[in-house]
Amino acid sequence: AQKITQTQPGMFVQEKEAVTLDCTYDTSDPSYGLFWYKQPSSGEMIFLIYQGSYDQQNATEGRYSLNFQKARKSANLVISASQLGDSAMYFCARNFGNEKLTFGTGTRLTIIP
Amino acid sequence: KAGVTQTPRYLIKTRGQQVTLSCSPISGHRSVSWYQQTPGQGLQFLFEYFSETQRNKGNFPGRFSGRQFSNSRSEMNVSTLELGDSALYLCASSLAGTGDETQYFGPGTRLLVL
Repeated sequence: AQKITQTQPGMFVQEKEAVTLDCTYDTSDPSYGLFWYKQPSSGEMIFLIYQGSYDQQNATEGRYSLNFQKARKSANLVISASQLGDSAMYFCARNFGNEKLTFGTGTRLTIIP
Repeated sequence: KAGVTQTPRYLIKTRGQQVTLSCSPISGHRSVSWYQQTPGQGLQFLFEYFSETQRNKGNFPGRFSGRQFSNSRSEMNVSTLELGDSALYLCASSLAGTGDETQYFGPGTRLLVL
């Protein structure tokens, strides 16, 4: 099965520190997309950042950046200068060239003031 | 631009009943996907509709069905509800076929089956 693995069930980080959330994936396909979503306790999945498998540069969106290491099949999310509002579940996901997303099990991030 | 909307937000049903959930995509988005989220199974893909046709289907029993209307709004139906159908049901829309693969999610419908 084409699996997404997030090995950190929970993380506690001091406010204003940077945090890295890990994500690795299985694939035999040359073309795919990788996504990170944030899910606050309200339940809505909020899109954060996207990386295409052919993109030469790591994606960045404001305080979010994606550390994409294709050979290692790794797509870690880096959040710089964490804020209390960053406390949430974070999911890594990939698609298969269609609209079906496969998600990892998520990491619960808690920012400590 | 308005985001994805889902109705109702909360629903309580009893075993054996059926339920219909609704999703309105972002304006201009023609693809609508549905996901089920439970503590035990995580996020699982149900199905995807594009231009009123089901293009992809996840591994769920036939009690789960859906449809899409000409205005891209989608409905999901679950018949003969079971306790295990209690979950957060998330709908997502995307600009399929344009090179932009990002799916944008709605707030979800929390279904409780008693």
